[in-house]
Amino acid sequence: DAKTTQPPSMDCAEGRAANLPCNHSTISGNEYVYWYRQIHSQGPQYIIHGLKNNETNEMASLIITEDRKSSTLILPHATLRDTAVYYCIVSPISGGGADGLTFGKGTHLIIQP
Amino acid sequence: NAGVTQTPKFRVLKTGQSMTLLCAQDMNHEYMYWYRQDPGMGLRLIHYSVGEGTTAKGEVPDGYNVSRLKKQNFLLGLESAAPSQTSVYFCASSRHSAYEQYFGPGTRLTVT
Repeated sequence: DAKTTQPPSMDCAEGRAANLPCNHSTISGNEYVYWYRQIHSQGPQYIIHGLKNNETNEMASLIITEDRKSSTLILPHATLRDTAVYYCIVSPISGGGADGLTFGKGTHLIIQP
Repeated sequence: NAGVTQTPKFRVLKTGQSMTLLCAQDMNHEYMYWYRQDPGMGLRLIHYSVGEGTTAKGEVPDGYNVSRLKKQNFLLGLESAAPSQTSVYFCASSRHSAYEQYFGPGTRLTVT
């Protein structure tokens, strides 16, 4: 069962901010929100993760709502190289069991020149 | 650092043949994972390891075996390949389950 819901595709103009939404209404208190992306034919690449506070790194910002039921990944100045499938994943802080990531189908972000 | 490497990059097998996929990481990570990705789908976990000498089943383990004899290597074996195992296989490693996973470039396997 999918734990996250993302739009299947989005377009964004080059140079603009890309805002990718994700719903995770059943998230538990011990689960992080992770974002990965997969550029065509390559292995997935980690972008950012967070628990309840907003996070920012050199690649992106992650905004998590106060109730933690949804989040938005922001790419501040999208370039053509940001065209990829973006996956929003919720995963426990520490499992000890099946610690792999559960990937859904993600959002195919297309940056338009 | 090379990060996570996978060998081979491509392979074509006939039904019933066997092969081993090798994953190597040079980041001293404890956790390693094998995923498969079918067209238009997200990745699915096959097997994983939480440390040298340990392995465990993931979501889709049937038809595969794994071994982690050395901390830096994680092997995925197909004893009798089937067309349903045609897929792209990704290996990943992480310092701990709560930390980000680093992925290899993938192995494209076709079983005819």
